[in-house]
Amino acid sequence: GAGVSQSPSNKVTEKGKDVELRCDPISGHTALYWYRQRLGQGLEFLIYFQGNSAPDKSGLPSDRFSAERTGESVSTLTIQRTQQEDSAVYLCASSLGGNQETQYFGPGTRLLVL
Amino acid sequence: GQNIDQPTEMTATEGAIVQINCTYQTSGFNGLFWYQQHAGEAPTFLSYNVLDGLEEKGRFSSFLSRSKGYSYLLLKELQMKDSASYLCAVSAGTALIFGKGTTLSVSS
Repeated sequence: GAGVSQSPSNKVTEKGKDVELRCDPISGHTALYWYRQRLGQGLEFLIYFQGNSAPDKSGLPSDRFSAERTGESVSTLTIQRTQQEDSAVYLCASSLGGNQETQYFGPGTRLLVL
Repeated sequence: GQNIDQPTEMTATEGAIVQINCTYQTSGFNGLFWYQQHAGEAPTFLSYNVLDGLEEKGRFSSFLSRSKGYSYLLLKELQMKDSASYLCAVSAGTALIFGKGTTLSVSS
């Protein structure tokens, strides 16, 4: 596809359940980022991948959050034992390289934890 | 710490010009980005400044002063479709640091 895609677009889950969010970056983009956007807040960095490695995980809010990337393509963000404060839009972005390269965003996954 | 400030809301009328300011204090600087985000949609890239000065791209222009930690986005000939949030973001390491965004409402 031409752009970054994410699935599911919406996810409603019960507190305590695990969820998996998927991101398909633009083909050929080596850098991939996950951000979280809470209502009324700015985008909050979670994790950065260069290829399949994650040199910067500093934004992950707790050990309930993890992510992986395979084949220098698809990435999955997993949230274990979800809490209500995890409710947010989770956005994925990719770029050709890192740092100064423009990041292109997917449409996001809207997660609601009841 | 890392801090990016921009006004929360702005209003303007069709055909007018509006300037959205952004000030930043970050531990590093690799460039400043402006993104547009319509409600419920992904942020889309508008502009990138790494050197001081004005970058013009059609109806949109962006200015940067690194010594002042200051940028603005200038939107000319406003249209109703320009109603959106405008996000200022600084590249200061591996990821972007975003402000909270400025919601612009354009009325007829």
